Amino acid sequence: DGGITQSPKYLFRKEGQNVTLSCEQNLNHDAMYWYRQDPGQGLRLIYYSQIVNDFQKGDIAEGYSVSREKKESFPLTVTSAQKNPTAFYLCASSPWRGADTQYFGPGTRLTVL
Amino acid sequence: GENVEQHPSTLSVQEGDSAVIKCTYSDSASNYFPWYKQELGKRPQLIIDIRSNVGEKKDQRIAVTLNKTAKHFSLHITETQPEDSAVYFCAASAPNTGNQFYFGTGTSLTVIP
Repeated sequence: DGGITQSPKYLFRKEGQNVTLSCEQNLNHDAMYWYRQDPGQGLRLIYYSQIVNDFQKGDIAEGYSVSREKKESFPLTVTSAQKNPTAFYLCASSPWRGADTQYFGPGTRLTVL
Repeated sequence: GENVEQHPSTLSVQEGDSAVIKCTYSDSASNYFPWYKQELGKRPQLIIDIRSNVGEKKDQRIAVTLNKTAKHFSLHITETQPEDSAVYFCAASAPNTGNQFYFGTGTSLTVIP
C-alpha cells in the first residue's frame, strides 16, 4: 500500500468552495475507489472506477465528482453541493475488477470552516 | 444491496487473552471477506482475508472463520498484545457489485497490559 499516495494530508475549505483531493498509485492497479469515513462509522463508498475513462457511483455520491483520465490517478472533487463534507477521505486501489484486496492510501482530512 | 453488521463496537481484553469480533452479511453472493486494522489517524491495513470456498484461515495469532450458511464470519486474535489495540473493520464483497466493499461499523479493541 506504500504505492498509493494522497494529498494534501489536511485540507481546510470555506463553505461554498469546491476542493479537489488527489489520489495517485504506481501499482499498475486497474480499479480505484474513494471512501468517506466519519467518527464511529465504517467506510462508505463514494465513487469507484474499474478502468480508465469509466467510473460508477457508490452509496453516497451526491455532492462529489471524479475523473479517471489516467490509470494511476483518480481525483475526487468535493463540491459546494455536499452539505456535510467534514470527514476523513480514503482512496484505495485494487489489481483488477474482480473481488480482490483493496489497498488504502494515507487519507486526507477535510475540514469545512 | 449488501448490509454488514459488526459486533461488538468496543472490546477490552487483558494482555494474553483472546479477542473475537463477529460480522454478519446479507448478500449470499458475497464471496470475499477482508479484515482491516486501523490505528488512529492512519490508513486501514489488511490483516487477513478469506474467500467463500474456504472455511478457516490462519496467520500466526490471527484467524478468520466463515460460515456461509449462516452468513457470518469472525476474526480471532489469540495471545493479544498492547500493539493489537486499534479499530478493526470487516468487509464483504460480491462479484456482481464491481468489487464494492461493504464495511462494518468497526470494533475498537483495547488490550490492557
